[in-house]
Amino acid sequence: AQKVTQAQTEISVVEKEDVTLDCVYETRDTTYYLFWYKQPPSGELVFLIRRNSFDEQNEISGRYSWNFQKSTSSFNFTITASQVVDSAVYFCALKGINDGGTSYGKLTFGQGTILTVHP
Amino acid sequence: ETGVTQSPTHLIKTRGQQVTLRCSSQSGHNTVSWYQQALGQGPQFIFQYYREEENGRGNFPPRFSGLQFPNYSSELNVNALELDDSALYLCASSFARGGVTDTQYFGPGTRLTVL
Repeated sequence: AQKVTQAQTEISVVEKEDVTLDCVYETRDTTYYLFWYKQPPSGELVFLIRRNSFDEQNEISGRYSWNFQKSTSSFNFTITASQVVDSAVYFCALKGINDGGTSYGKLTFGQGTILTVHP
Repeated sequence: ETGVTQSPTHLIKTRGQQVTLRCSSQSGHNTVSWYQQALGQGPQFIFQYYREEENGRGNFPPRFSGLQFPNYSSELNVNALELDDSALYLCASSFARGGVTDTQYFGPGTRLTVL
């Protein structure tokens, strides 16, 4: 079975602070994908990033950065110099590829972290 | 490029009724997945449709069913509605080739309330 744990239910920061959202996952698949999605109050899930299990390079995109560590099964997300517009629920998700080399579309999501950035 | 669209936006039904939710996939995508998101929870996978057939299903009873049409749009049908079916229903489209599904892009969701 696959499992994603986001231990932080809610985080509150003041604008311009850096904030890290934690994500720990469990899977028996040797090949898998990890994702982060943002869900603003409107409800739509917005795709942020996808990482392959065989690529542990960290990634930076503007104020966003991701730290993937296979040894600890973690895929953490850092927002640098947070802004009020970053306030949303953030979800980490996992998709495995089965032994047959196929992956149908099941994403396993964590419970989400509610991020509130105060001005 | 048109993104994923869903209709209706909101829906109120009573227990025991049936409901149909609709989803139009993003241009160039051939696969649609449906998720149920209860309040305060992460989305839960219901099923995926590829080539007009169900291609993977989560832990949902048979009263949750779906269709995919030749233009890749999809419907989610729920029969005999229960109070616990109240949730945000999210549709996601993606491109699948050779058995591997690419990144899923989500629509705005349909908020279903069952009274």
